[in-house]
Amino acid sequence: AQTVTQSQPEMSVQEAETVTLSCTYDTSESNYYLFWYKQPPSRQMILVIRQEAYKQQNATENRFSVNFQKAAKSFSLKISDSQLGDTAMYFCALNANAGNNRKLIWGLGTSLAVNP
Amino acid sequence: GAGVSQSPSNKVTEKGKDVELRCDPISGHTALYWYRQSLGQGLEFLIYFQGNSAPDKSGLPSDRFSAERTGGSVSTLTIQRTQQEDSAVYLCASTLVASYSYEQYFGPGTRLTVT
Repeated sequence: AQTVTQSQPEMSVQEAETVTLSCTYDTSESNYYLFWYKQPPSRQMILVIRQEAYKQQNATENRFSVNFQKAAKSFSLKISDSQLGDTAMYFCALNANAGNNRKLIWGLGTSLAVNP
Repeated sequence: GAGVSQSPSNKVTEKGKDVELRCDPISGHTALYWYRQSLGQGLEFLIYFQGNSAPDKSGLPSDRFSAERTGGSVSTLTIQRTQQEDSAVYLCASTLVASYSYEQYFGPGTRLTVT
């Protein structure tokens, strides 16, 4: 079975500092995609960053970057220079391209509070 | 272009009444998903449509829940005889099938409150 685990239900960080959110996963597929989504209080789910398993280079999007450790099945999200607008729920998700069923497997989320 | 839209934004209904929630996916996206999210919780998968294939209904919590997708575009999620435990945010997402990543694009959700 494919699983996604986010072990940190809640985290907080001071504005302008760096924070890392953890995600581990399990799949037997050889190629897959991993995603981090952000859901602010407005509840609009927004894609933050994606990573293809075949690509060794860690994905980066402005202040957001990932540390993808394929052997360890770890996919952490680093937010640099945290801003108040980064306050949100963050969800890690896996798409393992298993057959024709293209559902994402979701973690339970990490609630991040950025404090002024 | 336009994103995924959902209506209504908020719905308050009395216990026992039926409700219909609508999702209009991004044009050209042939895969559509419905999720339920209780307050402060993660995403609970409900149902998945892909093209003309039979939908994956494995997440529907009871036979009071049903969904259809007409013409491969707009989808309606229907909840019959609503119960208080149905109160949640219902999210819709769509995906471009040709996209190997199957990245999902979400609507703003419908907040359902059953009184």
